[in-house]
Amino acid sequence: EPEVTQTPSHQVTQMGQEVILRCVPISNHLYFYWYRQILGQKVEFLVSFYNNEISEKSEIFDDQFSVERPDGSNFTLKIRSTKLEDSAMYFCAISDSPYEQYFGPGTRLTVT
Amino acid sequence: AQSVTQLDSQVPVFEEAPVELRCNYSSSVSVYLFWYVQYPNQGLQLLLKYLSGSTLVESINGFEAEFNKSQTSFHLRKPSVHISDTAEYFCAVSVPSGNTGKLIFGQGTTLQVKP
Repeated sequence: EPEVTQTPSHQVTQMGQEVILRCVPISNHLYFYWYRQILGQKVEFLVSFYNNEISEKSEIFDDQFSVERPDGSNFTLKIRSTKLEDSAMYFCAISDSPYEQYFGPGTRLTVT
Repeated sequence: AQSVTQLDSQVPVFEEAPVELRCNYSSSVSVYLFWYVQYPNQGLQLLLKYLSGSTLVESINGFEAEFNKSQTSFHLRKPSVHISDTAEYFCAVSVPSGNTGKLIFGQGTTLQVKP
């Protein structure tokens, strides 16, 4: 099973600040995803990334969000100006096929 | 649009008893089906998957799920649960979308195994 880590495990930030969440696959993979889970709610798809570009994004993934693989290894999610409602658990997922996804441990983002 | 419904938010059960966690989905196209498990303070782990072939799929720790196309269900079962099975269980569907298949999750079911 592919392994992936996420940093930081917990991020506390003030409203309006920028945050960068990192996903570090142990080995190279083809497909990357970000999901989030607001406390007490469903896990929601944010964005998928393939061949160094966004493949699909959800309605949640508006202009304040961006993703990139800056060094061909890490996969980052940037939230430009955080809002209170961005507080959630953010999960990175990786896969080598379009369908089997393996998740990281998550980053808990708290916006105050 | 696709959706997933997990019919029970919490399922309390005694150790060594059988359990079924129910999952129904809605889709106008073929889907792939998954169960993920989340232990306390951990990420989502893939428990089992249905992509094609046999409609009964099994995991290494005794769970099984059966894909029922006519009832659009993918219920998870285990004949005898352990305390260590206490966790949150998520049913998910994947629909081919562009180059990648996003997952659509159900609300989750908390399995509470009591001694």
